[in-house]
Amino acid sequence: DTGVSQNPRHKITKRGQNVTFRCDPISEHNRLYWYRQTLGQGPEFLTYFQNEAQLEKSRLLSDRFSAERPKGSFSTLEIQRTEQGDSAMYLCASSSLAVQETQYFGPGTRLLVL
Amino acid sequence: GENVEQHPSTLSVQEGDSAVIKCTYSDSASNYFPWYKQELGKRPQLIIDIRSNVGEKKDQRIAVTLNKTAKHFSLHITETQPEDSAVYFCAASVGANSKLTFGKGITLSVRP
Repeated sequence: DTGVSQNPRHKITKRGQNVTFRCDPISEHNRLYWYRQTLGQGPEFLTYFQNEAQLEKSRLLSDRFSAERPKGSFSTLEIQRTEQGDSAMYLCASSSLAVQETQYFGPGTRLLVL
Repeated sequence: GENVEQHPSTLSVQEGDSAVIKCTYSDSASNYFPWYKQELGKRPQLIIDIRSNVGEKKDQRIAVTLNKTAKHFSLHITETQPEDSAVYFCAASVGANSKLTFGKGITLSVRP
């Protein structure tokens, strides 16, 4: 499968716990994006990377959220001290600057905070 | 920042009829407008996109039109089929490789 992949697909955690999600972009895509989607809403931008550099973070992104892309390939999104309001689908997307293509999304990680 | 609004929120059509979904955007700097289709429990999938240097783009039964002056763009689906039933999201960005601002989505139901 050459598409964007995300792991885990589902995560249930208790309030206050830390969680980490992984995204593997399409090979050679140098831009990687994280979005959050809640029920009945469109995806909401969180942050994005060009290679290993984090270029932009949403002002809505709490300090409890951190993302990395250490080698410019896969990325991780960590949420510390989870809250019930963090329950959502976390979507990753990637794109290629070289061909000015659009963003292709992964299947998402559905987080439920109890 | 950019604000994308999508209306109506739901649309029901008879199989074979056409469907039109409209979006408006606020940032005149936006120049890239993709449309995504999302089926229940699945990832958003790009169905068509348009850049601001063109006014219309077609791909088989799907077309998108853009009015830069009025800051709105529309998705047109002709000869609708039951498998077109899904949630459709419009989005806008400055450049194809920048963050996307999405509308809230419209649920399209195609009645057989």
